[in-house]
Amino acid sequence: AQTVTQSQPEMSVQEAETVTLSCTYDTSESDYYLFWYKQPPSRQMILVIRQEAYKQQNATENRFSVNFQKAAKSFSLKISDSQLGDAAMYFCAYRSGNTGTASKLTFGTGTRLQVTL
Amino acid sequence: GAGVSQSPSNKVTEKGKDVELRCDPISGHTALYWYRQSLGQGLEFLIYFQGNSAPDKSGLPSDRFSAERTGGSVSTLTIQRTQQEDSAVYLCASSLQGLQNEKLFFGSGTQLSVL
Repeated sequence: AQTVTQSQPEMSVQEAETVTLSCTYDTSESDYYLFWYKQPPSRQMILVIRQEAYKQQNATENRFSVNFQKAAKSFSLKISDSQLGDAAMYFCAYRSGNTGTASKLTFGTGTRLQVTL
Repeated sequence: GAGVSQSPSNKVTEKGKDVELRCDPISGHTALYWYRQSLGQGLEFLIYFQGNSAPDKSGLPSDRFSAERTGGSVSTLTIQRTQQEDSAVYLCASSLQGLQNEKLFFGSGTQLSVL
C-alpha cells in the first residue's frame, strides 16, 4: 500500500519570504500522480498544484512550485513571496496510475503553515 | 450547482443514534468521493462512486457505514449506531470523470460530534 509522509506538522514563514513544505511517499508503482491541496479554515480543500510522475519537469503554478525527485520519492512544495492568504493546512496526496486503484487518493497528515507579518 | 454542497455543516448526535450526511456534487461530475478527516490526521478514504459502476467501498471502516448515490447525483453517507470514534469531519468531493490526474472539488464538510 502507498503511504504519504509529511514530517513537518507546523511551519512558519514571514510575509514575502519563501517556504518549502516536505513530502515523501512510498510506492512500488512507476505510474502515479502527486498533488498538493490547501485547506483553509473553511475546511474546503483546494488544489494547489499537481505533478505527473512520468514528467521530469517540475510543475509550477504562479508562486507555487514543486521539487519532484522521483528516485528519492520526494515531492516538496515551494511557496514564493508568501502572502497572508497562504496560511492554511497543506496536504500532500498520491494517486495511482493503475486504473484498478485509481479511485483512491492517499493523503499525508498535513502541514499547518503560518504566515507572519 | 456552483460547487460541492454538504449538509448539515455540523451535526451533534448521541452515541448509538444513526446519522445521515448529504453531498450534492457539481452538476455533470460523474465521480464522487467521501473522505473522513479525524483531528490531527490526514484524510481517510471511505468510498468512491463513478458513474454507473459498482462503488469502491474498500475504505469503509465497518458495516455501520454505508453510502448511496441516487440518480448519479446526490449522495448520502449513513452511519448507524454512532460511536465516539466516529467524531470527525466528513468531506465529500467530486470530479468530472474520475480520471487519475483530475482535480477534485471538495465541499466544506460535515463536522460530526458524537457525545
